[in-house]
Amino acid sequence: QVTLKESGPALVKPTQTLTLTCTFSGFSLNTSGMRVTWIRQPPGKALEWLARIDWDDDKFYSTSLKTRLTISKDTSKNQVVLTMTNVDSVDTATYFCARAVNSWEYFDYWGQGTLVTVSA
Amino acid sequence: DIQMTQSPSSLSASVGDRVTITCRASQSISKYLTWYQQKPGKAPNLLIYTASSLQTGVPSRFSGSGFGTEFTLTIDSLQPEDFATYYCQQSFSKPRTFGLGTKVEIK
Repeated sequence: QVTLKESGPALVKPTQTLTLTCTFSGFSLNTSGMRVTWIRQPPGKALEWLARIDWDDDKFYSTSLKTRLTISKDTSKNQVVLTMTNVDSVDTATYFCARAVNSWEYFDYWGQGTLVTVSA
Repeated sequence: DIQMTQSPSSLSASVGDRVTITCRASQSISKYLTWYQQKPGKAPNLLIYTASSLQTGVPSRFSGSGFGTEFTLTIDSLQPEDFATYYCQQSFSKPRTFGLGTKVEIK
């Protein structure tokens, strides 16, 4: 059974660094073709693709956010970590992690999401 | 970045109606197009991948078509549980991008 779950702080102050963890089970990020992606959704708005990490440790980032994002993985813990520096109120959103199993890259399993509010 | 434009942004329909949602890509994406359904407070749910392949477990009233820059999601005989927001997403080039969504509401 595949599951993903996001964790991290619910409240972050402006200019701080946000660290989110995606803990998954039921698959391995050592498997060829496997990818985990972070996606966010501000309240009442659309989905936004943020970053992806692959089984071979390739990493890809949103064009507009790439200077602020870092994605990494710990395959021994079945975790993917996303850090976002210098957060602002516009970063208030629900953050999801999701899995893709091949290069067609459709997300067949998602975490439940975690709401992060940026406020002083 | 490839822009994904969905239309309409919202629509009202009745149970039993046939609904069509369009997604246009700013450049050709072959068939690297996925459709998701999202209900309030929930994560998106995969409906259609590679433009026209139905995900396991998704009712057959959902179908997708298209290639290149123009794609459609069709719901035949809309059911009460289909009232939700639908998103398209391209995976042809990085960064991946989503459309802004189409909200399907009850008439």
